[in-house]
Amino acid sequence: SAVISQKPSRDICQRGTSLTIQCQVDSQVTMMFWYRQQPGQSLTLIATANQGSEATYESGFVIDKFPISRPNLTFSTLTVSNMSPEDSSIYLCSAPGGGAGTDTQYFGPGTRLTVL
Amino acid sequence: ILNVEQSPQSLHVQEGDSTNFTCSFPSSNFYALHWYRWETAKSPEALFVMTLNGDEKKKGRISATLNTKEGYSYLYIKGSQPEDSATYLCAFGRSQKVTFGTGTKLQVIP
Repeated sequence: SAVISQKPSRDICQRGTSLTIQCQVDSQVTMMFWYRQQPGQSLTLIATANQGSEATYESGFVIDKFPISRPNLTFSTLTVSNMSPEDSSIYLCSAPGGGAGTDTQYFGPGTRLTVL
Repeated sequence: ILNVEQSPQSLHVQEGDSTNFTCSFPSSNFYALHWYRWETAKSPEALFVMTLNGDEKKKGRISATLNTKEGYSYLYIKGSQPEDSATYLCAFGRSQKVTFGTGTKLQVIP
């Protein structure tokens, strides 16, 4: 299993500003993932953070809005840029539990973002 | 776009009651069905991963069943306790390419 920490745990931000969320895993993992849960919605995958290459974004998410860094095998950051109230969500990072196929995801505790 | 639905969206039960909720998913191209428990301010915690039709998994007072032919899974909690209060998520798919349901928020009243 992996233990994942995130910071900040919550933040309240002004429209137009940016916030960088950090995710730390206690072991080396090949892939890390960033999810968002908007109010009343399901967890949605934003992107896969690959070490040594650019992140892979899901449909509807773009690098300019959600730049991701992955400097090593235990750490990643997600930036929410030029925020608007629609970005108010819980943002989670995760890593697969090992093995292939039916991987369980291990999640961080999430960052609760409110944009005013 | 895969449709993964959970019902009910929320429920309140008295301590000691048993309860269950449903996850519905596409019955074609099944790979795996995951259940997670997500307590407020904590990380979602994996409960079960189920891969075979007819699978039944159990962890303490919590159990789950799987019907891949008709596309549903049930999660059961026997003798609910206040510490069971959480949002229960199901996820359909493989690896990170999973589609999550919106969750069932359970509140157990002491």
